[in-house]
Amino acid sequence: QQQVKQSPQSLIVQKGGISIINCAYENTAFDYFPWYQQFPGKGPALLIAIRPDVSEKKEGRFTISFNKSAKQFSLHIMDSQPGDSATYFCAASRVDTGRRALTFGSGTRLQVQP
Amino acid sequence: DAGITQSPRHKVTETGTPVTLRCHQTENHRYMYWYRQDPGHGLRLIHYSYGVKDTDKGEVSDGYSVSRSKTEDFLLTLESATSSQTSVYFCAISESIQGGYTFGSGTRLTVV
Repeated sequence: QQQVKQSPQSLIVQKGGISIINCAYENTAFDYFPWYQQFPGKGPALLIAIRPDVSEKKEGRFTISFNKSAKQFSLHIMDSQPGDSATYFCAASRVDTGRRALTFGSGTRLQVQP
Repeated sequence: DAGITQSPRHKVTETGTPVTLRCHQTENHRYMYWYRQDPGHGLRLIHYSYGVKDTDKGEVSDGYSVSRSKTEDFLLTLESATSSQTSVYFCAISESIQGGYTFGSGTRLTVV
């Protein structure tokens, strides 16, 4: 049972372009939606996160767009750079019996060509 | 990475042998997690801990056990390793139940 579905699996973007990665979730009880960035040989690192009370959050070149009614959220990377080449994971979590743990999407490998 | 260390970084073991992976943190964070990463599956939760001697199962806990006798250490044990447990294992810590995670650098485990 995949609670968070991520697409595309891989993405190639030209330098300066916009990278868009999408995620859809099933559980309406999810209330925290982070994105993680992972470079080869490293652990994932928190990039940006959003809660469902806002529709958009921007940090530098990275923006999360959130559509609660469609149960979808996406990551937009503006002015993509070769240094952004990495694997990106969306995730979601909810409080369940007082516990919380992140459920991750399957990942998107982004390649930004110079 | 931010006071979290996983050991060993790489391990090759034979089918049927027990294996223990260690996660050590110096941040005094209450929450600790073990995930495995496999191509096409992202990161899947194995077990997590909300404090000393307080652990719970994740979505792929079969064949794994954990222990947390000290705040700083979270051990993952494969009771009898199988080839399907070949994976990269990540430990993560979190300061609060609401916040993001800090991940370790991972342990690449190969079961032959």
